[in-house]
Amino acid sequence: AQSVTQLDSHVSVSEGTPVLLRCNYSSSYSPSLFWYVQHPNKGLQLLLKYTSAATLVKGINGFEAEFKKSETSFHLTKPSAHMSDAAEYFCVVSALGNQGGKLIFGQGTELSVKP
Amino acid sequence: DTAVSQTPKYLVTQMGNDKSIKCEQNLGHDTMYWYKQDSKKFLKIMFSYNNKELIINETVPNRFSPKSPDKAHLNLHINSLELGDSAVYFCASSRTGNQPQHFGDGTRLSIL
Repeated sequence: AQSVTQLDSHVSVSEGTPVLLRCNYSSSYSPSLFWYVQHPNKGLQLLLKYTSAATLVKGINGFEAEFKKSETSFHLTKPSAHMSDAAEYFCVVSALGNQGGKLIFGQGTELSVKP
Repeated sequence: DTAVSQTPKYLVTQMGNDKSIKCEQNLGHDTMYWYKQDSKKFLKIMFSYNNKELIINETVPNRFSPKSPDKAHLNLHINSLELGDSAVYFCASSRTGNQPQHFGDGTRLSIL
């Protein structure tokens, strides 16, 4: 069965400093992995997706993530945080087979950005 | 134009009542979903429909009944509401079951 674990429930950075949100996955097969962001009182927005093409995936708003099979990790990074990045971030794996479309969410990481 | 829209945005009601949440997508997607987000922000899928056919039905109480009149709409009806049903319910859609999903802004259900 697939699963994801987000290693930090809360991350706080200063504006202009790098962001690192950590995610480990568990999957018997090569997984499809996503990062979604949720701003307060809003739905989820797709940041980026990995589907077994390039291991370094670039997303929107300057975010990127690297798929590392040896470490079963899919960490999200951004070189310089902006105040508007403050939100909840979810690492997500897609289930396989006849459960295609079923997304399995991590517990979420709340990102705070200090001025 | 809103891609995935849910109504109502807020729903406050009493225990034991029956309520419905509506969802519409104008993206031309074939697959739609309902998710529940609890007070700790954990998200879990409830149902998914592909072209009006039920595909995924997680272990959700029978009081929850999804209905898809056409592939652009997926409504959620809840009977005999309980305190534990208080949550944010998100509708989503995707082109197919394996494509990224687009989410609505959620319906915040509060049971008094």
